[in-house]
Amino acid sequence: DAMVIQNPRYQVTQFGKPVTLSCSQTLNHNVMYWYQQKSSQAPKLLFHYYDKDFNNEADTPDNFQSRRPNTSFCFLDIRSPGLGDAAMYLCATSTSGFNEKLFFGSGTQLSVL
Amino acid sequence: QKEVEQNSGPLSVPEGAIASLNCTYSDRGSQSFFWYRQYSGKSPELIMFIYSNGDKEDGRFTAQLNKASQYVSLLIRDSQPSDSATYLCAVDDNNDMRFGAGTRLTVKP
Repeated sequence: DAMVIQNPRYQVTQFGKPVTLSCSQTLNHNVMYWYQQKSSQAPKLLFHYYDKDFNNEADTPDNFQSRRPNTSFCFLDIRSPGLGDAAMYLCATSTSGFNEKLFFGSGTQLSVL
Repeated sequence: QKEVEQNSGPLSVPEGAIASLNCTYSDRGSQSFFWYRQYSGKSPELIMFIYSNGDKEDGRFTAQLNKASQYVSLLIRDSQPSDSATYLCAVDDNNDMRFGAGTRLTVKP
């Protein structure tokens, strides 16, 4: 089945230790998104790729970076995780154009010790 | 700053009742509107989407959109305990999808 896959499901890192979360898709969608969701809060858009064009949200901290080496894969790098970065990180994809719905991966729950 | 507002709840309804969930948004230019359901610890899944003013029905779910008043709502008829979840309203403007914080719904048997 075509889908969006996130690995790992749970990630534990240490304060200040770089961590990378991965996302892959078999839907061949040209738009990929990274959202951060903390408990009982709205998913917050960090950035998205429209094909290879990177679009960063104005309030996304510099500590967060992303890479999209090809259509299928997208990575979220957190250079120096702080305790406040503990959250669920959601990857989503969509086609471009008007009114396109998001397809979500299962998410990666990040803990920072 | 584009805002999407929802009553956080919790909203509790008895099994078989109608659950009514509401959402307002700040950007008049928004073009498409979505309702996602999210179970605890899981990722959101799409329930319905609506683009035009009025009602859209899909099974037990009805989405209502009023662009003049900048609100969108979701009605769930014949609510079931399995409908207990957080319902996220999302507003899209050209690949810029923004979510509300969600309304937590509990359906009591």
